[in-house]
Amino acid sequence: GQNIDQPTEMTATEGAIVQINCTYQTSGFNGLFWYQQHAGEAPTFLSYNVLDGLEEKGRFSSFLSRSKGYSYLLLKELQMKDSASYLCAVAFVNYGQNFVFGPGTRLSVLP
Amino acid sequence: ETGVTQSPTHLIKTRGQQVTLRCSSQSGHNTVSWYQQALGQGPQFIFQYYREEENGRGNFPPRFSGLQFPNYSSELNVNALELDDSALYLCASSERLAFEQYFGPGTRLTVT
Repeated sequence: GQNIDQPTEMTATEGAIVQINCTYQTSGFNGLFWYQQHAGEAPTFLSYNVLDGLEEKGRFSSFLSRSKGYSYLLLKELQMKDSASYLCAVAFVNYGQNFVFGPGTRLSVLP
Repeated sequence: ETGVTQSPTHLIKTRGQQVTLRCSSQSGHNTVSWYQQALGQGPQFIFQYYREEENGRGNFPPRFSGLQFPNYSSELNVNALELDDSALYLCASSERLAFEQYFGPGTRLTVT
């Protein structure tokens, strides 16, 4: 079956750098996504990786290694507003398009 | 550019009833996906519609069904509601090949 693992909770200090890891097992891999979700709100798209390597977008970067089934989201210069859940999601093909989300990592940014 | 909208915002139903949730996709998007999100968990993929046809389905029973209309808006129908169906239902739209999904604000369904 399809499975995604990520840490449940993380804590970091304002201005610091934090790396949120995600490991997955899936067949028919068709891309990996990161979303940010604030409490009570809908997820917001952060990044998409389909090839190995690093994708950078402002303070956020995402890395993918397909052979290792591994990705990470790197957040730099942390701000208080970055306190949220970060969801790792994998797209795969199984009798059509399909998606599986991880449980989310709840990040708390402390002053 | 109009974002993804969903209606209603909140809904309370009784076990055994049927419910219809609605979603309007973002302008220019022809693909809509539906997700169920229980409190404290990640979203679970229900199904995806592309140009009015189901394009993929997650591990949900047949009492979860959907439609996509020519204007690419969509409906999620759930029959014979169960208590465990209580959740936030999210709709997300995307361009077919882009995969960048934009989520609506969700419909909070409570089944009593």
